[in-house]
Amino acid sequence: GESVGLHLPTLSVQEGDNSIINCAYSNSASDYFIWYKQESGKGPQFIIDIRSNMDKRQGQRVTVLLNKTVKHLSLQIAATQPGDSAVYFCAENWAGSQGNLIFGKGTKLSVKP
Amino acid sequence: KAGVTQTPRYLIKTRGQQVTLSCSPISGHRSVSWYQQTPGQGLQFLFEYFSETQRNKGNFPGRFSGRQFSNSRSEMNVSTLELGDSALYLCASSPGTSGGQYFGPGTRLTVT
Repeated sequence: GESVGLHLPTLSVQEGDNSIINCAYSNSASDYFIWYKQESGKGPQFIIDIRSNMDKRQGQRVTVLLNKTVKHLSLQIAATQPGDSAVYFCAENWAGSQGNLIFGKGTKLSVKP
Repeated sequence: KAGVTQTPRYLIKTRGQQVTLSCSPISGHRSVSWYQQTPGQGLQFLFEYFSETQRNKGNFPGRFSGRQFSNSRSEMNVSTLELGDSALYLCASSPGTSGGQYFGPGTRLTVT
């Protein structure tokens, strides 16, 4: 049958603004989460991770927030730059599921100069 | 440290053929996972190897197989290729105990 492409949610922001990308994860047993950035023609690039015993973690220009109550993850990018334009994926993992990351569908971030 | 490398980067095969893809993990990483990425299904887990043993397997047919060598390098094989196997095949490595996975650039497989 014909394959239908995933319709990616798109977030369009102005250069210099802050971006917030959201993700709903699927498994309440998940205890480890990662955000990846994928540029066209490249493999996913690790951005930041967080374990379930934390609700916030900060990196360079990025912050990940975890709300286990509603199974929600967000990635905040401060002072968004054109080089941040890419597709962003959240991924989850749980104990006993070694090496198996479950990926969300992705959000396309477009930064206008 | 050098990143994850995958060869070849691009491949064109005909239906019914078989293909072998190679992945070299980051030095010191003992776990290698393989994923298939397509526009329709997104990123899907194929299998994971640690110390030459398959620890985990996704929901793919038996035509998809893999192995890992003593130096942690891994190969995946797809037999009897179908048009639907056209995809970006990604390899990721991790230390194997905990922590994130680091991806290679992928192999773009086109089946005609």
